[in-house]
Amino acid sequence: DAGVIQSPRHEVTEMGQEVTLRCKPISGHDYLFWYRQTMMRGLELLIYFNNNVPIDDSGMPEDRFSAKMPNASFSTLKIQPSEPRDSAVYFCASSGQTNTEAFFGQGTRLTVV
Amino acid sequence: GEDVEQSLFLSVREGDSSVINCTYTDSSSTYLYWYKQEPGAGLQLLTYIFSNMDMKQDQRLTVLLNKKDKHLSLRIADTQTGDSAIYFCAERFPGRRALTFGSGTRLQVQP
Repeated sequence: DAGVIQSPRHEVTEMGQEVTLRCKPISGHDYLFWYRQTMMRGLELLIYFNNNVPIDDSGMPEDRFSAKMPNASFSTLKIQPSEPRDSAVYFCASSGQTNTEAFFGQGTRLTVV
Repeated sequence: GEDVEQSLFLSVREGDSSVINCTYTDSSSTYLYWYKQEPGAGLQLLTYIFSNMDMKQDQRLTVLLNKKDKHLSLRIADTQTGDSAIYFCAERFPGRRALTFGSGTRLQVQP
């Protein structure tokens, strides 16, 4: 398995633009997590899904952020409109029912200018 | 609160042992983890320990768990320059699959 795949690896966008981050979890995993990493706040959980259903979205900063999981092999995290303070590395991770750990993707480094 | 605390920085010489410490928040946490992050990369699981264990050893890695003090440590024996990275501890609360991470400890290994 190629592991958790995120795209793009890097994204630079202007303030006010819409940004969509993508994630393909490991095949067969039924949990998917979105985390954000910044120097100031470290690694924060944004949202996680189980069997494509959002279980906990309490970490989503505000209405500008939305996440979807239309099927078991794909998830998106969308920011609209983007702001400079959204600049961070966004990680997607997945886990299976029998896994105790989460497997992380390489992350998407987002820069909003 | 839900703060997992770690010291920010540790510097050791190659060949020495490294000990990275972590204080977690919830004594009922079921699993505790150590992840490693190299520059520009995602998080890689190093090891984890179940909450009913006191110690776990895996090659050069030794995890110690003190449930009374909610203290977790990671010892790396014979530290190598390739061990230079950021190390995160994380806890998993009962009934919750998501992990709560500490702020990370940057380990610098001097040749």
